[in-house]
This record gives sequence, C-alpha cells and structure tokens, in this order.
Amino acid sequence: DTGVSQDPRHKITKRGQNVTFRCDPISEHNRLYWYRQTLGQGPEFLTYFQNEAQLEKSRLLSDRFSAERPKGSFSTLEIQRTEQGDSAMYLCASSPRGGPQGVELFFGSGTQLSVL
Amino acid sequence: GNSVTQMEGPVTLSEEAFLTINCTYTATGYPSLFWYVQYPGEGLQLLLKATKADDKGSNKGFEATYRKETTSFHLEKGSVQVSDSAVYFCALIPPTGTASKLTFGTGTRLQVTL
Repeated sequence: DTGVSQDPRHKITKRGQNVTFRCDPISEHNRLYWYRQTLGQGPEFLTYFQNEAQLEKSRLLSDRFSAERPKGSFSTLEIQRTEQGDSAMYLCASSPRGGPQGVELFFGSGTQLSVL
Repeated sequence: GNSVTQMEGPVTLSEEAFLTINCTYTATGYPSLFWYVQYPGEGLQLLLKATKADDKGSNKGFEATYRKETTSFHLEKGSVQVSDSAVYFCALIPPTGTASKLTFGTGTRLQVTL
C-alpha cells in the first residue's frame, strides 16, 4: 500500500503565476477529495470526485481554481493567477466506495504553497 | 451550520501522563464524529470514530465517547508516549452528509516530553 501521494511537497511562486498540483490516490479508491488547510486551522473541503466525475465543489473554489480527474485515477488542481491569499497546504484524500457515514478518508502529506 | 470546537493548544505533557483533549460540536441531528491525527511531516490519519450516540471509539490506547447530552467527543488516553506528539483534529459529518461534508476543528497540538 503506497498510500496517497502528492507532488510537489512544496511550491513557491510569485503572485499572478499559475500552479498545478498532482494527487495519486490509493489505486482501488474511486473517491478523491481536495482540501485546503491554512495555518492554525483545520482542513476545509474544496472539491470531490467519484471516478472521473466532479460531483461537488465548495464555494471556496473560485473561478481561478480548477480540478480534474481525467481517467478516474490521478487528479490535478490548478490555480490560475495566484494571490497571496492562496498560500496554504493543499491536501488530497481518497476513499473507497462505501456508506455515507463513517467513511475513512486517507490523506496525502499535502502540497505547501507559498505565494510571494 | 455545522461546527467543531476544540481546546486550544499546545498541550504539553510528560510521558505517562493522562491526556484529555476537549471537543464539542454543533450540528443538526446526530452526526458521525471522528478524531484524526497528523504526525509531523505526514498526512492526516483516522484515529477513531463513532457514528451514533453513546458509541465509544478506540484505537492505539485512545478513546472517545459520543455524548449527545453534552454534544461532546472528548479524546482521552491513560498514559501518553513521546510518539503521541502530533496534532489532533476533531471532525464531524452531518447525518445526511458524505465524506465531502467533513467539518474539522482547528486542531490541538500535543507535545509529550520525557
């Protein structure tokens, strides 16, 4: 079990640049989630995929954010025209198909984004 | 809306001390409750969970009981170890929600010293 992997671990960019993060979930998991975590806060939900379908997006996900999961395996999260307020840890998680409650999410180590 | 309130950290304890991290929640109905742990440099891991009132979740010596009367899910461990040093997050999913509806508290950092 290789777990959920995220790349890169750290990204430093200048304001206005575009960045893209990648997440590889656990291979048999069909559900994939993106969360954002700022310093001193708990993770906040951004978006959710079941297979390749993006089923839900948070209001936190502005038009500058886009996420894809083209073949139902890995996912990418792109932020266009980055702003300093985008600086955060971006977490990816996956889960197997299961009941709505009590489902366990498996998290990656995250990508730490710093926008200068 | 749904929310989770945790005690502020850091919590600093000596090895073998008793641990309590308080967690209270606000939600409609009876949510599912979780404790996640984040060790340094790693992702969050599910520590334990309880899906209905009066359930007790337990794992690795940690316990938490779902108390609907006090809307609480306090985390306890009888004897902490240095290896328990981490950030602990309390979280909930509302009764009609899915994992996309996970609401986390702000986290409590635990530091255990020899």
